[in-house]
Amino acid sequence: AAGVIQSPRHLIKEKRETATLKCYPIPRHDTVYWYQQGPGQDPQFLISFYEKMQSDKGSIPDRFSAQQFSDYHSELNMSSLELGDSALYFCASSSRSSGTYNEQFFGPGTRLTVL
Amino acid sequence: AQSVTQLGSHVSVSEGALVLLRCNYSSSVPPYLFWYVQYPNQGLQLLLKYTTGATLVKGINGFEAEFKKSETSFHLTKPSAHMSDAAEYFCAVRLTGGGNKLTFGTGTQLKVEL
Repeated sequence: AAGVIQSPRHLIKEKRETATLKCYPIPRHDTVYWYQQGPGQDPQFLISFYEKMQSDKGSIPDRFSAQQFSDYHSELNMSSLELGDSALYFCASSSRSSGTYNEQFFGPGTRLTVL
Repeated sequence: AQSVTQLGSHVSVSEGALVLLRCNYSSSVPPYLFWYVQYPNQGLQLLLKYTTGATLVKGINGFEAEFKKSETSFHLTKPSAHMSDAAEYFCAVRLTGGGNKLTFGTGTQLKVEL
């Protein structure tokens, strides 16, 4: 079965640079979530989208922005990167229409390293 | 505010022994509860979930968990540990009636020894 796809899997950036992370949800999933997992920490919710509209917002820094496109894929844009942004970024998807809304399927993550 | 507490950041068991990973939540309304497993350098895989109905939930790989409202607990168990169970386990909650975001516990690293 198709899973959540994230790209790139690994990304290395310098301080103050920008980064764009992409997430392709499971086909026919309409909701996308972004989580940040720092080294040795639990995943923290950043933001979510349903049908291209922001549905919930967590501890996302103002330097970050995200959107969901008409094909339901989502991008997380990160500017003025800081060392503390180094983390594993997960995308998850779910579907309101198919009754699996309560179950989030996670992608493999993008490991961002800021030098 | 809701939170999730996982007792024990590291748990070590012998192969074949009982696995018990503890999770308690704090919420005035019973939330939806989940257990996820994370293998090294991999994403989060859902083990099992409780939303409504039967309080004993069976998941993949022989794991199960019981929702106990009186104890605000959702402990994860497996009768007999296998070496392949070594991983990090996260308990998570989703508050019913609110957004669908998950709040995770701090995780428990399970080590299985011969």
